[in-house]
Amino acid sequence: EVQLVESGGSLVQPGGSVRLSCAASGFTFSGSSLHWVRQAPGKGLEWVSYISSSSSTKYYTDSVKGRFTVSRDNAKNSLYLQMNSLRDDDTAVYYCTRDEGNSPFDSWGLGTLVTVSS
Amino acid sequence: QSALTQPPSASGTPGQSVAISCSRSSSNSGSGYIYWYQQLPGMAPKVLIYRNDQRPSGVPDRFSGSKSGTSASLAISGLRSEDEAHYYCVTWDDSLSAWVFGGGTKLTVL
Repeated sequence: EVQLVESGGSLVQPGGSVRLSCAASGFTFSGSSLHWVRQAPGKGLEWVSYISSSSSTKYYTDSVKGRFTVSRDNAKNSLYLQMNSLRDDDTAVYYCTRDEGNSPFDSWGLGTLVTVSS
Repeated sequence: QSALTQPPSASGTPGQSVAISCSRSSSNSGSGYIYWYQQLPGMAPKVLIYRNDQRPSGVPDRFSGSKSGTSASLAISGLRSEDEAHYYCVTWDDSLSAWVFGGGTKLTVL
């Protein structure tokens, strides 16, 4: 069974930084591409970032380019999102999702909440 | 501004059929595949339809997807109370090199 468990969410001040982690199990992590998707409170889903299985390809939504960095450690079956220069509108639940090939967001974690507020 | 437009809400009574639309803006470019996700209250989203009209195993055949030109639709037949959820369409945009979600449709089963 595919399992994705996010962690690292917290309350952070505007301009601050936080690093999210996603621990994966139940599938061949090193062979899978992954995404981060976020959802602001009471709002819809927003794709944030993509990383290919080898980390050779990374994509970001425009609003986080230059501030967020996606990375992974295939030896640890872990995905990360380094979030810098945080803004109020980055407040959201951040989900780690697996790209299965046929479906870009095949499996989801339960999410971790990042709150940006002074 | 989302490149995929969905109605904010839809409703139906148990047993009825309902369709949720998803329209691509002309500026959106990409393979054209549309994917649909269901988000039940308080839960993480779940894939309902992939590549326009394909249903993953485990998804009831009451759910079906279709696409014609720049418009896609999710149809739900035999509506049940447990179908009350938010539904999102999503597609890849080549020009943005980004995945783009529609704004979501809240389905209410009356």
